[in-house]
Amino acid sequence: GAGVSQSPSNKVTEKGKDVELRCDPISGHTALYWYRQRLGQGLEFLIYFQGNSAPDKSGLPSDRFSAERTGESVSTLTIQRTQQEDSAVYLCASSLDTGRNQPQHFGDGTRLSIL
Amino acid sequence: AQSVAQPEDQVNVAEGNPLTVKCTYSVSGNPYLFWYVQYPNRGLQFLLKYITGDNLVKGSYGFEAEFNKSQTSFHLKKPSALVSDSALYFCAVRDSLYNFNKFYFGSGTKLNVKP
Repeated sequence: GAGVSQSPSNKVTEKGKDVELRCDPISGHTALYWYRQRLGQGLEFLIYFQGNSAPDKSGLPSDRFSAERTGESVSTLTIQRTQQEDSAVYLCASSLDTGRNQPQHFGDGTRLSIL
Repeated sequence: AQSVAQPEDQVNVAEGNPLTVKCTYSVSGNPYLFWYVQYPNRGLQFLLKYITGDNLVKGSYGFEAEFNKSQTSFHLKKPSALVSDSALYFCAVRDSLYNFNKFYFGSGTKLNVKP
């Protein structure tokens, strides 16, 4: 289908390694969000991209976290020197724009496990 | 600060009975409210939204929600529950005043529908 695609679906890595998570938004969606969902908890906002504007990075928990997006296409979330508390599901969402009535469309997430 | 609260971690209901999943909100400015559903190992799916207009909003899969300004609530309802409705439900509010990029999610309510 033409939904939001995330890869990998699962990632297991050792503490201290770097990981890169990928998100392919729905074609034409200018807004893209990254969230973190810890086990049994709600969504924690990480970062937001809108077109070519400067991203809203206010939710990134530390300088180990960074994200990039080229234009209105693919985004990557990078976590450097992973820690066990980084274990979570990382969800990506896209929407048409920042219009007030536009819902977000979510991918199935990347399940990250830090050993 | 903008926030939503879902006071129930879990709701149990028998198939065929009506269901209600509660959500209260706290916002500065106009409330833009959303409900999402999450099935195991999947991302969130949009159910319905309230922006303006009628207080009773109808959405996907027979769900509806009632916006109550005086009680600052936006409870999700369905007249007759199905076993397949069993999932995790999230209420969300969009910041309409300070940072329009941000959605604030509740902690989620697990709905169990028993045959």
